[in-house]
Amino acid sequence: QVQLQQWGAGLLKPSETLSLTCAVYGGSFSGYYWSWIRQPPGKGLEWIGEINHSGSTNYNPSLKSRVTISVDTSKNQFSLKLSSVTAADTAVYYCATRRKGMLYGYYYYYMDVWGKGTTVTVSS
Amino acid sequence: SSELTQDPAVSVALGQTVRITCQGDSLRSYYASWYQQKPGQAPVLVIYGKNNRPSGIPDRFSGSSSGNTASLTITGAQAEDEADYYCNSRDSSGNHPRCVFGGGTKLTVL
Repeated sequence: QVQLQQWGAGLLKPSETLSLTCAVYGGSFSGYYWSWIRQPPGKGLEWIGEINHSGSTNYNPSLKSRVTISVDTSKNQFSLKLSSVTAADTAVYYCATRRKGMLYGYYYYYMDVWGKGTTVTVSS
Repeated sequence: SSELTQDPAVSVALGQTVRITCQGDSLRSYYASWYQQKPGQAPVLVIYGKNNRPSGIPDRFSGSSSGNTASLTITGAQAEDEADYYCNSRDSSGNHPRCVFGGGTKLTVL
């Protein structure tokens, strides 16, 4: 059973770069995509982006100019960097596995394992 | 703004059946997945694909889909089902594939 452990700096100043890492334990690192999701206080979930073991990425268009997701297959880890943060980036950040299936010609995607979340606060 | 639309809040009497819906064009091409989130906790996957439940999710949770609408049904709601529920889908309508979440539905069990 895959488990995710995430960590990173929890307090940033405006204009700094957010940096988080998620380690994958107990399962295959290849064959899946690995996602980042965030949730501002009192608000809903927002998908940030995803990466596979080969380094292929997809990003949320609204964040794409500031986001970099990378992978380190030697350590079974993937990371998120978000540059030029502002107070609007204050949120709980989650990492998650992203899997894919197909049925009757329809694809489906789902995130079945989530990290515990890291609270990131941006304040001067 | 979310491109998957959910009712912000729904209530259900204990033991009764409730349906939470999610609407969006991407649901014509992809099955939705559904997540339950309780305060202070990470989301938990409850339904994926046509109507699949991960191990450990009670069979009172079920999913369905028709046209541009996906639904999560809880048959015989329990007090512990009170939570926020989010739908999620793939969206390939733009230049690059992405994932989208609905705005969430707060379920109150009366």
